[in-house]
This record gives sequence, structure tokens and C-alpha cells, in this order.
Amino acid sequence: QQQVKQSPQSLIVQKGGISIINCAYENTAFDYFPWYQQFPGKGPALLIAIRPDVSEKKEGRFTISFNKSAKQFSLHIMDSQPGDSATYFCAASTMDSSYKLIFGSGTRLLVRP
Amino acid sequence: DTAVSQTPKYLVTQMGNDKSIKCEQNLGHDTMYWYKQDSKKFLKIMFSYNNKELIINETVPNRFSPKSPDKAHLNLHINSLELGDSAVYFCASSLGTANTEAFFGQGTRLTVV
Repeated sequence: QQQVKQSPQSLIVQKGGISIINCAYENTAFDYFPWYQQFPGKGPALLIAIRPDVSEKKEGRFTISFNKSAKQFSLHIMDSQPGDSATYFCAASTMDSSYKLIFGSGTRLLVRP
Repeated sequence: DTAVSQTPKYLVTQMGNDKSIKCEQNLGHDTMYWYKQDSKKFLKIMFSYNNKELIINETVPNRFSPKSPDKAHLNLHINSLELGDSAVYFCASSLGTANTEAFFGQGTRLTVV
């Protein structure tokens, strides 16, 4: 019940295209859903996060769509750029989980020029 | 000015040795964590400390012992290293409230030979 399932494992997109990464969860107590971006040799860094009281959050080219009834959320990267090439992790946590993040398995995104 | 810094960045050691990884954060956060990232890039929490007190211990072998001398430091000591301990270890910190951004260090790549 603590799992967060992420797909696809890897994704190749042409420059200017839309990258879409999906995550699903089981634990209905999850109430915070961040996305982290990780470049090779670096630690993960928060990209964007959403709480379940909204269905969408947009920051620049990055949008989270959240479907509470389906227990799914996704990251959309519009106008994908080669500099977006990285590994993306979805995650989830609960208010009473002592702040620990449960991570998805990661998606390696490659944006071709 | 590095927010969460870990040392060393790389650590190569023989099986059976004991080693330590140090972590310091200058963000004034109350909560610090250790995460392990395996060869498939899967990120899993190991420990969490809040105000120097252990609040999460995710069934990690007792060869791993975290120590928090103060709120800004969380070190990880590993006894009797095994081949399976090879991974990247990330220190992270966050505010002492639920569901806030976790800031990660650059990671320590541990290789046990």
C-alpha cells in the first residue's frame, strides 16, 4: 500500500514535444505529491508539487495533473528541451508519515535536439 | 553556498571495513534524512531525524547507525560493509513540518569491493 508505481521507465522525445510521465498510488492517505528531477551525479531537486485538493498545477512548462478518484497523477513537460534530459521521480507522503517520501521507480527522459 | 553537503563524494572500500559519511545542512531545517539509491536508481528512505531524535528507521540492518550531534548534522556510520551496500547515499533535509520540500545533497557513491 506504500508503493508508488511510475511509468514509463524511459522516454525519448523530440525537442519541442510533450513529455508525459505517469504515477499511480494505492494509499488514500497520501496527501502530498511532489516531482523531483535528478541530473547525473546530482541529488534529486524538487520540480513541482501538488496536494489532492486541486486537479492541476502549472509552473512554467511543467504541469501536474491529479486524478484523486483514479489515484493517479502525471507530469507533463511542454515544449521539451534537451536541457530537460534527466531522471524524473514522482513521490508521495502523508501528514502522519514523519515526512518520509515514497518514491516511484523513476523515468529517464531523453530529449533529442 | 551549498545547502546540504555530504562528504566524501566517492568512497571505495573493501568488504568488512567500517566507514562513515558526513552530512551538514545550513538551511536551518529541523529534519534530516538518509536515502539510499540503488543501481536501478530506486530511492528509498533509510532514516529520518527530527531535532536530533530518530523518527524513522526503515528496517535497515543494524550495521547502519546514524548519528545526529546537532540539528545541522546527520552522519551515517556503516559497520562490516558488504557488497550489497554499494549504492549512492543521499542526505536530505526539510523543515520540521509535514509535506514540505526536501533538499538533497549531491550524494556519496559507495563502492564495496
